[in-house]
Amino acid sequence: AQKVTQVQTEISVVEKEDVTLDCVYETRDTTYYLFWYKQPPSGELVFLIRRNSFDEQNEISGRYSWNFQKSTSSFNFTITASQVVDSAVYFCALIDGEGSSNTGKLIFGQGTTLQVKP
Amino acid sequence: NAGVTQTPKFRILKIGQSMTLQCTQDMNHNYMYWYRQDPGMGLKLIYYSVGAGITDKGEVPNGYNVSRSTTEDFPLRLELAAPSQTSVYFCASSYRREQFFGPGTRLTVL
Repeated sequence: AQKVTQVQTEISVVEKEDVTLDCVYETRDTTYYLFWYKQPPSGELVFLIRRNSFDEQNEISGRYSWNFQKSTSSFNFTITASQVVDSAVYFCALIDGEGSSNTGKLIFGQGTTLQVKP
Repeated sequence: NAGVTQTPKFRILKIGQSMTLQCTQDMNHNYMYWYRQDPGMGLKLIYYSVGAGITDKGEVPNGYNVSRSTTEDFPLRLELAAPSQTSVYFCASSYRREQFFGPGTRLTVL
């Protein structure tokens, strides 16, 4: 069965520290998509990144970077030089299924709450 | 484009009451979803639809019903509200595996 596990439930860092949020997934599919979302205290879900299973290149977007490793079924998220505005709940998610059976349903991890202290 | 809109934003229900959570998208997406987020948890799929007239159950469908008479609208119905349905409800639509989420409805059942 497909499953997403976020290793840390809560992380607390001091501003300017680097922080990594770990995500481990399980799937039987050879083609799949992985996502990270941010949920700030206001409650909305903010899309951060989507990765397909054929693209293992690391991605960097400003202070954010993502490390995708199929060999360990992991899709980890690093924030460099964290800021107070990064305080939020972060979700890793997986789309299961492919081809005609694909319905785009997201399977979410339980979330990692990141607190960045000034 | 307004994207995905949900109404109401907040609602308090008494046990046994019923209500409909509204969801509308203006992007002409065929795929739509309802998720619930319980405190400290990730989102879980309640129902989804792959097009007008087609719906199917997700992971946690008990206590809910949906309909999809148009591409734009995907309402979620709670018939007999229970405290276990206290949650934040998110509607989403998708296109080419990118999901667009509404702002959520915070529901409390007392």
